[in-house]
Amino acid sequence: KAGVTQTPRYLIKTRGQQVTLSCSPISGHRSVSWYQQTPGQGLQFLFEYFSETQRNKGNFPGRFSGRQFSNSRSEMNVSTLELGDSALYLCASGQGAGTEAFFGQGTRLTVV
Amino acid sequence: DQQVKQNSPSLSVQEGRISILNCDYTNSMFDYFLWYKKYPAEGPTFLISISSIKDKNEDGRFTVFLNKSAKHLSLHIVPSQPGDSAVYFCAASASTGNQFYFGTGTSLTVIP
Repeated sequence: KAGVTQTPRYLIKTRGQQVTLSCSPISGHRSVSWYQQTPGQGLQFLFEYFSETQRNKGNFPGRFSGRQFSNSRSEMNVSTLELGDSALYLCASGQGAGTEAFFGQGTRLTVV
Repeated sequence: DQQVKQNSPSLSVQEGRISILNCDYTNSMFDYFLWYKKYPAEGPTFLISISSIKDKNEDGRFTVFLNKSAKHLSLHIVPSQPGDSAVYFCAASASTGNQFYFGTGTSLTVIP
């Protein structure tokens, strides 16, 4: 079956702009999580959605937000972009706690 | 607060020999552990997992060992192959949620 799909793969934005990233999970998976990967910080958890509800949230400012639709697809939004937001943003889908999460290819965001 | 730690940033092993990657955690609530392999600019690929009710799980060339009393897990790759060269991340979660805490990764190089 198809894996986790993230769009777009690459994005260049200017400071102060906003951006929306999309994630389509594996069919049947109701949990979608978002992670930020930077060279200095590794993979940092942003938030997790399950059946359209945010269940967990990491330690990121309110500029980072997300949502999940009834078909489990998820979007992540970052407003008022800063240079430090440049990172690889990864989406993972799974069947819930205690099960493995499968990652997409990621979206490489560059803020200039 | 790094709850999952991989203290070796890099490891080099000869082809055919055993690769041992180590991971320590601090949170006693963690009860599910995973290993991922990652290539640059791609999402992590799930390798193998283990729950806290077990102390060993095997899948082909990959074996994960869990020592709960020491809060330590390790990934053994036998025999190592050049295609195994990548960054390996360990991750942990608690059954109460689907948030994964990642280590900072170990870059494995298998020398032909």
